[in-house]
Amino acid sequence: EAGVAQSPRYKIIEKRQSVAFWCNPISGHATLYWYQQILGQGPKLLIQFQNNGVVDDSQLPKDRFSAERLKGVDSTLKIQPAKLEDSAVYLCASSQRLDPNEQFFGPGTRLTVL
Amino acid sequence: AQKVTQAQTEISVVEKEDVTLDCVYETRDTTYYLFWYKQPPSGELVFLIRRNSFDEQNEISGRYSWNFQKSTSSFNFTITASQVVDSAVYFCALSEGAGGTSYGKLTFGQGTILTVHP
Repeated sequence: EAGVAQSPRYKIIEKRQSVAFWCNPISGHATLYWYQQILGQGPKLLIQFQNNGVVDDSQLPKDRFSAERLKGVDSTLKIQPAKLEDSAVYLCASSQRLDPNEQFFGPGTRLTVL
Repeated sequence: AQKVTQAQTEISVVEKEDVTLDCVYETRDTTYYLFWYKQPPSGELVFLIRRNSFDEQNEISGRYSWNFQKSTSSFNFTITASQVVDSAVYFCALSEGAGGTSYGKLTFGQGTILTVHP
């Protein structure tokens, strides 16, 4: 079974530029999550989808971050414009259902904002 | 609000030593779930265990064991006879039960960096 795929693995941009990350969850997984992990900290949930609907985006900085999950499969997370404090690893995870069972994580995208 | 505290930032042991990683949690819910994840240098979080709040039985899986104590709101993780391959960052996490606004959402602790020396 293929795992959660993410791309790119690394991205370096200047502040005020835009960037987009892509995630392909495990086939059949209805729930998809985007986490932000700042160096030395635990992951923090940014947004949670159930199929193509948003369940929780309370910690997403909506003035600059956006995410979508068209057709309930792949998802894209965008930052526009980026700030220095957005430097982090962005992790995508998926699970079969909404309930708190095992979440499968992708390898992450490491973003550096200069 | 939920909170997970892992007081040990870094632990260093020599191979074959036993090591315990502490986790203390806060929640107002009576139904909740606790998790441990491992993050090796490759960066991908690997699921280790899930416990629900009604099951306080300790669990053992090979060299890994977990001690869940509701009375002290703790969910500690012990590695017996540690190996170099156990070197990683370990995260404890908490999720609310059904009906909670954070159902299905994981709140992570800050992680414990474990280094096992040969």
